[in-house]
Amino acid sequence: EAGVVQSPRYKIIEKKQPVAFWCNPISGHNTLYWYLQNLGQGPELLIRYENEEAVDDSQLPKDRFSAERLKGVDSTLKIQPAELGDSAVYLCASSPGGELGTDTQYFGPGTRLTVL
Amino acid sequence: GNSVTQMEGPVTLSEEAFLTINCTYTATGYPSLFWYVQYPGEGLQLLLKATKADDKGSNKGFEATYRKETTSFHLEKGSVQVSDSAVYFCALSSNDMRFGAGTRLTVKP
Repeated sequence: EAGVVQSPRYKIIEKKQPVAFWCNPISGHNTLYWYLQNLGQGPELLIRYENEEAVDDSQLPKDRFSAERLKGVDSTLKIQPAELGDSAVYLCASSPGGELGTDTQYFGPGTRLTVL
Repeated sequence: GNSVTQMEGPVTLSEEAFLTINCTYTATGYPSLFWYVQYPGEGLQLLLKATKADDKGSNKGFEATYRKETTSFHLEKGSVQVSDSAVYFCALSSNDMRFGAGTRLTVKP
């Protein structure tokens, strides 16, 4: 079974430029998550989707970040414009859904963003 | 709100040494508890989990017991190997998943 796929793995951009990250979850997983992981810290949730609906985006900085999950499968996270402080690893995860409290989340390898 | 506090690293051990990584949590209700491991250049992988008090999760020689009375979920392994070198994250899940800061383990031959 294929795992969570993310691309690109690495991205270097200059500040004020836009950037987009793509995630394809495990087949059949209804729930998709985007996390931000700063160096030396644990992941922090940005947004959670149940199918195509964003059900928790309270931690997403909506002035510059946006996300979509058209058709309830793969998802794109965008930053426009990027700032120096956005340099981090962006993780995507998926879970089968239906049991939010006990579901195991499966993580992709992440996209490491460097903003110069 | 819910939160997880885990032992600061880094931790360096010799092969075959005993490992303990402490994890305590603050939560309302009855969360599920997890340990995830992150090997260099890879995403987080579930190591083990426990969904209710007194449950013991175990995998690959690692164990952790859900202790409600001490709000803890300490990770243990009796004899570590070089291949266990990684970053370990404690996490809890109720309405959302909260992670600790991670503990980097290095095992030397």
